[in-house]
Amino acid sequence: KNQVEQSPQSLIILEGKNCTLQCNYTVSPFSNLRWYKQDTGRGPVSLTIMTFSENTKSNGRYTATLDADTKQSSLHITASQLSDSASYICVVSAFGGYNKLIFGAGTRLAVHP
Amino acid sequence: DSGVTQTPKHLITATGQRVTLRCSPRSGDLSVYWYQQSLDQGLQFLIQYYNGEERAKGNILERFSAQQFPDLHSELNLSSLELGDSALYFCASSVEGQGAQEQYFGPGTRLTVT
Repeated sequence: KNQVEQSPQSLIILEGKNCTLQCNYTVSPFSNLRWYKQDTGRGPVSLTIMTFSENTKSNGRYTATLDADTKQSSLHITASQLSDSASYICVVSAFGGYNKLIFGAGTRLAVHP
Repeated sequence: DSGVTQTPKHLITATGQRVTLRCSPRSGDLSVYWYQQSLDQGLQFLIQYYNGEERAKGNILERFSAQQFPDLHSELNLSSLELGDSALYFCASSVEGQGAQEQYFGPGTRLTVT
């Protein structure tokens, strides 16, 4: 069964600190992996999209890594800001011609001053 | 602002009723996706349309149906509503319907069934 698991479920860090969120997946055959940021009650916003051949992708203070062999990905947030408080969702797409996405449950990040 | 619009923003209705949610994709996007997000739960893919035709189906109940019109806007119809259908419903769009296409999400419609 295609699944995406994220850890931790929730995380509290102080402003200015770094953090790393984890994503493990069993989706096959793998097409691409995305990280989304979702503020409470709002639509998700894409941070990165990585295909099989990409190991690392950055978007400002966000850096995603992908290990297709171990089926793991991480999202590293550098120098966190209060506005980083949100849910971060790992999403994996399987090959099949259609852009059907399988969502993880998300990690809820709270950045405190 | 993603460029995807959804109406209405909020909807409150009673059990057993039927509602229609509307989505307008970004200009130039041919594919539309519908997702459901229940309270404190992850997003669930419901259905995808590409240029007017159904492309993929996810966990969509038989009481739910959708369509994409010639002008590419889409509607999600929910009937015989139950309390458990209360959720945020998101629409997303992409240029095409496959591969590593960026999906842009709308602001969502919050449905409350009482």
